[in-house]
Amino acid sequence: EVQLVESGGGVVQPGGSLKLSCSASGFTFSGFAIHWVRQASGKGLEWVGRIRSAPNGYATEYAASAKGRFTISRDDSENTAYLQMNRLKIEDTAVYYCSRAITGSTIWLDPWGQGTLVTVSS
Amino acid sequence: DIQMTQSPSSLSASVGDRVTITCRASQSISIYLNWYQQKPGTAPKLLIYATSTLQSGVPSRFSGSGSGTDFTLTISSLQPEDFATYYCQQSYSPPYTFIFGQGTKLEIK
Repeated sequence: EVQLVESGGGVVQPGGSLKLSCSASGFTFSGFAIHWVRQASGKGLEWVGRIRSAPNGYATEYAASAKGRFTISRDDSENTAYLQMNRLKIEDTAVYYCSRAITGSTIWLDPWGQGTLVTVSS
Repeated sequence: DIQMTQSPSSLSASVGDRVTITCRASQSISIYLNWYQQKPGTAPKLLIYATSTLQSGVPSRFSGSGSGTDFTLTISSLQPEDFATYYCQQSYSPPYTFIFGQGTKLEIK
């Protein structure tokens, strides 16, 4: 079964840092890009960023809200992707999901992990 | 950045109804449009990719159409398990920003 499991969420003070993990199983992790998407309570989905696979140079792209503060990385030997979040703001409070990107005629996200909650509060 | 606008933002319907949700892109995105379903407290689930291709396991009462800037998700006969929030997402590249629509909450009338 293809599965993604996020971990590392918690409560952090404004200005602090947190590193989320996305552990994958059931597929060849190294061959796929991984995306991060977040959702504040009662709000819609917001794309955070992605990291591509080794043949694509592990290229990363970020949403404007994440650029300069968040860094996505991966360790293909551990089948894990990471989201390092620095200089956290209250508005970063959300459930963070990771997802596998499938590239075909377009690019779509499937499956998604169950999400991990990040709360930025003093 | 390409913006995605869904309408309506919420919709009340009854079991057995035919329902259509619209997603409009601020510029042409060809067929680079996906649809996701999210039920409360759970992760989003892929329904349709590349505008009209049903993900494996998705019931045939779901369908998608469109191209360019205007897209639709149609549920031909609503079932109780279809009451959820639906999101469109563009994956037109570049600029690789994978923007989501704001969502359409489908509620029971």
